[in-house]
Amino acid sequence: GQNIDQPTEMTATEGAIVQINCTYQTSGFNGLFWYQQHAGEAPTFLSYNVLDGLEEKGRFSSFLSRSKGYSYLLLKELQMKDSASYLCAVRPASQGGKLIFGQGTELSVKP
Amino acid sequence: EPEVTQTPSHQVTQMGQEVILRCVPISNHLYFYWYRQILGQKVEFLVSFYNNEISEKSEIFDDQFSVERPDGSNFTLKIRSTKLEDSAMYFCASSQGLGLRRNTIYFGEGSWLTVV
Repeated sequence: GQNIDQPTEMTATEGAIVQINCTYQTSGFNGLFWYQQHAGEAPTFLSYNVLDGLEEKGRFSSFLSRSKGYSYLLLKELQMKDSASYLCAVRPASQGGKLIFGQGTELSVKP
Repeated sequence: EPEVTQTPSHQVTQMGQEVILRCVPISNHLYFYWYRQILGQKVEFLVSFYNNEISEKSEIFDDQFSVERPDGSNFTLKIRSTKLEDSAMYFCASSQGLGLRRNTIYFGEGSWLTVV
């Protein structure tokens, strides 16, 4: 089967750093995506990893280890507006390019 | 920045009625998708569409559902004989392709469907 696990919720302080973990088991692997979703809104693309290692984009970084089926999203210099749900999504081996999403991690940033 | 647009943003329909949700994908994108998200649950894949045909569909996408690209810009999801459990946010999405630098999927703002 296909399974993606991430913590349900996390809390962090403004200005701090937070790491959101994701583990996955899928039928093949064609990349891992992180999306941000505010309540009632569309998922917004944050990052993409297909090779092992760290991808950095401003305050956001994402890491992938394919052998461990593991990724994390690192958010630095947290701001109140970063309070949102963070979705880990994996593209398995399929011809249609679908994404399989995890449940999402609800991040609350407190002053 | 180009974006995926969806209409309507909200729709309330009676059980058993047919609903059509409309989407305009990003203009140079070739792969189109529908996902849904029931309130409080995860985003679920419904169907992907390429070259005017379905390339993949999930178990959720049964005979009640159909998709169509009636012209060069619109991409529609039709739900026949709606059920209470079809109440969800439906997201349209698109990507340029599946290759390394073209495979990011961009989502529309969603159509919130309530079946009563």
